[in-house]
Amino acid sequence: EVQLLESGGGLVQPGGSLRLSCAASGFTFSTYAMSWVRQAPGKGLEWVSTISSSGGSTYYADSVKGRFTISRDNSKNTLYLQMNSLRVEDTAVYYCANDYAWARRNWGQGTLVTVSS
Amino acid sequence: QTVVTQEPSFSVSPGGTVTLTCGLNSGSVSTSYSPSWYQQTPGQAPRTLIYSTNTRSSGVPDRFSGSILGNKAALTITGAQADDESNYYCLLYMGSGISVFGGGTKLTVL
Repeated sequence: EVQLLESGGGLVQPGGSLRLSCAASGFTFSTYAMSWVRQAPGKGLEWVSTISSSGGSTYYADSVKGRFTISRDNSKNTLYLQMNSLRVEDTAVYYCANDYAWARRNWGQGTLVTVSS
Repeated sequence: QTVVTQEPSFSVSPGGTVTLTCGLNSGSVSTSYSPSWYQQTPGQAPRTLIYSTNTRSSGVPDRFSGSILGNKAALTITGAQADDESNYYCLLYMGSGISVFGGGTKLTVL
């Protein structure tokens, strides 16, 4: 069974940093591209970032480019999202997902990030 | 700026058929956009229904189907059930690693 478990969310002040993790199991992690998707309170889904299976290619939404960094450790079956210069509008539940054919296939339960002073 | 359009809301009677669409503010949606569809109930993680335009994800009943209708991607639910009442999102692949979600459709079954 595919399992994706996000962690690392919490309350942070504007301008602060946070690192999210996503522990994967139940599939061959190193062969799948992975993504982060977020959802602000009461709003729709927003694609944030994708990383290729090897980690050699990364892609970002314009809203986070230059502030967020996606990475992975295939030896630990773990995906990361380093979030710097956080803004109030980054407040959201952050989901990790594995990718297939440019779709998000399996989803974690999400971790809440709240940016507030 | 690319905007992916969906109906904000839709209503269907139990047992009825409904088609939700996913378009672009500029241009037509084709299979090259690899449209995918997701179902989400409040407080829950999204669930993948359809990927690659018309391939059902594992465990998804065959009353959910995907297609291209005219210049849009479409999700059709045949024989709607009460627990289909959810928010539905489409996702389009724009190329160069970039994906964009639509704003979502709130489906009511009544």
